[in-house]
Amino acid sequence: SQELEQSPQSLIVQEGKNLTINCTSSKTLYGLYWYKQKYGEGLIFLMMLQKGGEEKSHEKITAKLDEKKQQSSLHITASQPSHAGIYLCGADRNTGNQFYFGTGTSLTVIP
Amino acid sequence: DGGITQSPKYLFRKEGQNVTLSCEQNLNHDAMYWYRQDPGQGLRLIYYSQIVNDFQKGDIAEGYSVSREKKESFPLTVTSAQKNPTAFYLCASTRTGGYSPLHFGNGTRLTVT
Repeated sequence: SQELEQSPQSLIVQEGKNLTINCTSSKTLYGLYWYKQKYGEGLIFLMMLQKGGEEKSHEKITAKLDEKKQQSSLHITASQPSHAGIYLCGADRNTGNQFYFGTGTSLTVIP
Repeated sequence: DGGITQSPKYLFRKEGQNVTLSCEQNLNHDAMYWYRQDPGQGLRLIYYSQIVNDFQKGDIAEGYSVSREKKESFPLTVTSAQKNPTAFYLCASTRTGGYSPLHFGNGTRLTVT
């Protein structure tokens, strides 16, 4: 079973709509990372969250980590075609720099 | 500009042949990683190294080998023992000590026929 569960698996939205992607763990998250990937390319780092209740924003993307540090969400406001891609959450196993990832959420934004 | 370079971008091999994927970084990072990405399965950790001349198996190390002779370089060899080698391979690096994000290369797509 996956250590990090992402939902939904895929998302198709109209340009201008808001959307949320969730990342859930059965274990406490010590470092939670959000990445974006264009098909066939590497992952681009978006944001890192560490503290319970932490929230960070960059342009129209906001990421939050819940108080229990077991769930994170990524919210995109007023989506644009440039937001399309695969979004992955990742975490550190806290046993010495072993990173693991969710299965990803594929986002399509229709102009 | 600092970054991670993976080469080549596309690689084709015949079944039964070993193949080595290159990964070089000039970020002065101690830790380096190899992941495999298959559709619907996310990223799976193959091997990682936190210091020169030392490396550990990840979740799916069977059929793969690595070396870490230089801080900047972490090549991955896909051996003929790997049953399903066709995949997208990603190399990453990060600082050690504390929480720091992984920086990724642009990947190598390996096709074995």
